[in-house]
Amino acid sequence: GDSVTQMEGPVTLSEEAFLTINCTYTATGYPSLFWYVQYPGEGLQLLLKATKADDKGSNKGFEATYRKETTSFHLEKGSVQVSDSAVYFCALSGPDTGRRALTFGSGTRLQVQP
Amino acid sequence: DAGVIQSPRHEVTEMGQEVTLRCKPISGHNSLFWYRQTMMRGLELLIYFNNNVPIDDSGMPEDRFSAKMPNASFSTLKIQPSEPRDSAVYFCASQVSDGNQPQHFGDGTRLSIL
Repeated sequence: GDSVTQMEGPVTLSEEAFLTINCTYTATGYPSLFWYVQYPGEGLQLLLKATKADDKGSNKGFEATYRKETTSFHLEKGSVQVSDSAVYFCALSGPDTGRRALTFGSGTRLQVQP
Repeated sequence: DAGVIQSPRHEVTEMGQEVTLRCKPISGHNSLFWYRQTMMRGLELLIYFNNNVPIDDSGMPEDRFSAKMPNASFSTLKIQPSEPRDSAVYFCASQVSDGNQPQHFGDGTRLSIL
């Protein structure tokens, strides 16, 4: 079945540092890939998405590129802020109706220190 | 856009009691998902509806769990009888009927079974 593997956390960075959170996936066909962010006590918010190979999703300074050859969708940001502290989830879903549910990675907690 | 609305936000009850969680999806979204989040298992799908019809209920733990979607604007997840191991955060999400579009999450119901 489908699966998503994320790097273990927590990741602790100083403000303005460069961020990479690794994500790899296993799936049949051509899934859509997503990064969601969860702030304490809240639901998941979509951060960015990519629906086909070589697509780059971007939002709020975060970027991720759909790499089919390496089955990866790594999240990057050039300069993190304290407000980016949250848990980040990589996820995928299949294009057909039967696989519409999201398969999530385990989540990576990011802590940004001032 | 009101977003996905879940109620209650918090529920504390004793084991053996019936628990009902409620969800109102975003208007115009015709797919609805129930997920459960725990420390041990992360985020996992419980059940998924498309046009009010259950498509995938393979994640429903056992007969104590049931879910309904009587119309396009309302869904319930019921646990009867509840057990301490059901303690978790339960999220509802909705999506337009297109697997490339993101799912929108509610703020969740934090359930504690004593």
